[in-house]
This record gives sequence, structure tokens and C-alpha cells, in this order.
Amino acid sequence: GAVVSQHPSWVICKSGTSVKIECRSLDFQATTMFWYRQFPKQSLMLMATSNEGSKATYEQGVEKDKFLINHASLTLSTLTVTSAHPEDSSFYICSADQRGTLAGVPDTQYFGPGTRLTVL
Amino acid sequence: SQKIEQNSEALNIQEGKTATLTCNYTNYSPAYLQWYRQDPGRGPVFLLLIRENEKEKRKERLKVTFDTTLKQSLFHITASQPADSATYLCALEASNYQLIWGAGTKLIIKP
Repeated sequence: GAVVSQHPSWVICKSGTSVKIECRSLDFQATTMFWYRQFPKQSLMLMATSNEGSKATYEQGVEKDKFLINHASLTLSTLTVTSAHPEDSSFYICSADQRGTLAGVPDTQYFGPGTRLTVL
Repeated sequence: SQKIEQNSEALNIQEGKTATLTCNYTNYSPAYLQWYRQDPGRGPVFLLLIRENEKEKRKERLKVTFDTTLKQSLFHITASQPADSATYLCALEASNYQLIWGAGTKLIIKP
């Protein structure tokens, strides 16, 4: 259980275009989803926290108008990179939080396989 | 500021030996710590979680220790296999269920 999918797995686009990445929790409902980006040999950098039915919370330095996040349901969150530029090329990973059912039980994040974005 | 350190150099281990990876943190007192495995071009996969009141946690060939005095966690893989080769990440809980991540240590198990 606890499978998270992402689509597409890779995408190449021209500078100035927009790209949408989907993140789905396949067998559980995720109250919270997280979007990360990762550069080669670097740690995961949290971009935003997305709660179903509400606006995403963006980390400092992340442009909310450039990285649009929609969490329309408990199983789907989308990240749209608007007006993409070469510096946006990165590995984007989503995770879904499987909220513990018992008080005091820590939550575990389950990650999607990632999306490799290359902007030419 | 909160900081997590993992050895940035790759760790080369002979097959069958025990691999030990280190995660150190500063300016933080996490309630729990997690270890993940990440293969190239893939998202991280959850391995183990250890709470601040637990000294040790085991899962098959994996063992994690958590020393809140030293602010350190050790991750051990016993009887290592080439298939264990991957990058291993440690993560600490921050607020709002967010995790703070280390940069990971690349483990290479040589046959």
C-alpha cells in the first residue's frame, strides 16, 4: 500500500511554456501533499505544502505565481511550472502524507517517482 | 539555524560487511528521525522511523540508533549486498509535518 504516482516521469519543454505535473496517491487519501525539487547530489528542497481544499503554503524564496499548486482532491495534487526557464530544470518530487491514525504516531511521507523537467 | 549533516563522500563497502552511515544534526531536538533510500532518478523510499525515546530500531538487515545527547543517528546495513547500493537520506520532523532533509550519503557495495 501507500503508493504515490507522478506524471509525467520526464518532460522536455521550450523556454516560456508551462508544464503541469500530477501527483496521485493511489491507495490512500492524503490530507497533505508536499512538493520538492532536487538538484544533482543535493538534498531535497521543500517548495510547498499542499492541503486539500486550501491554498498551498510556499517556502521562502519559492514564487507562488510561478509554481502553481492545486490540491483539488484527497488523492490528487498538481504543480504547474509557468513560463518555464532553463534554470527551472530540475527533478521535481511529490510526497503524500499518510496521516497516522493514532494520536502521537508520527506520519510518514510516501514519495512519487519524480519528474525530470528539462527546459531548453 | 537547523542543520543536518551526512557524509557527502561515497561510502564503499565490501559485500557481506556491515555498512554504517551517519546523520548529525544541530540546533534541533526532533521528536523522531527517519531514514530513506533513494535510487538514481527516483523518489525516496521510506525505510525506518525512530522516536526520541527509542535507542535502537531494527528491520530485517537494517538497524538505526538515535542518540539525542550526541544529536546523532547511525544507520547500519548488515550482510550488505550490491543491491543495497543507493543514496541514503536522513530526515527530521519540522513543524506542520514537514521534514528537514540531509543531503544523503551514497553507498556502494562492491561484490
